[in-house]
Amino acid sequence: AQKITQTQPGMFVQEKEAVTLDCTYDTSDPSYGLFWYKQPSSGEMIFLIYQGSYDQQNATEGRYSLNFQKARKSANLVISASQLGDSAMYFCAMSRPKQGGKLIFGQGTELSVKP
Amino acid sequence: ETGVTQSPTHLIKTRGQQVTLRCSSQSGHNTVSWYQQALGQGPQFIFQYYREEENGRGNFPPRFSGLQFPNYSSELNVNALELDDSALYLCASSPSVRVAGELFFGEGSRLTVL
Repeated sequence: AQKITQTQPGMFVQEKEAVTLDCTYDTSDPSYGLFWYKQPSSGEMIFLIYQGSYDQQNATEGRYSLNFQKARKSANLVISASQLGDSAMYFCAMSRPKQGGKLIFGQGTELSVKP
Repeated sequence: ETGVTQSPTHLIKTRGQQVTLRCSSQSGHNTVSWYQQALGQGPQFIFQYYREEENGRGNFPPRFSGLQFPNYSSELNVNALELDDSALYLCASSPSVRVAGELFFGEGSRLTVL
């Protein structure tokens, strides 16, 4: 069965510094997708970044990058130059092949950015 | 481009009642997925609708049911409400049912069952 594990319930980072949010996953499928979403207090889930299991390079989207280590089954999110607006819950998620829309989410990490 | 909208945003029900939550998908998206997010947890997949047919279901009992309409909007119905049904219900739309890609989420409907 597929599973996503986020072991950091809460993280603090100083404004303008970088932070890494951990995510490990478990699946027997050779093809899968990994996602990171941000959830501010409003409740909406905001897509940040996507990594396909066959992608050779780590995904990057602006200040977000995904450190994909396939052998270790980890997909850590790196946020560079943290901003106060980055304070939110962050969720790692995984999809199965040909099952767009059906995501398995981790428990989330609450990130607090200090001024 | 209109995003995903959900209604109502907040509601309170009592145990045993029934509730209907509504979702308008993003323009051009034919797939809608529903998720339940209990307090302090990650979202859990309830079911997905594609072209008005249910296309996969998570580990939820039959009292959770849904509909998708020709305009791709969707409803989530929950019968015989239980206290544990208190949660944020998120609707997400996507342009394709077969390709894993970005989901577009609404802001959710927060249900409290007393």
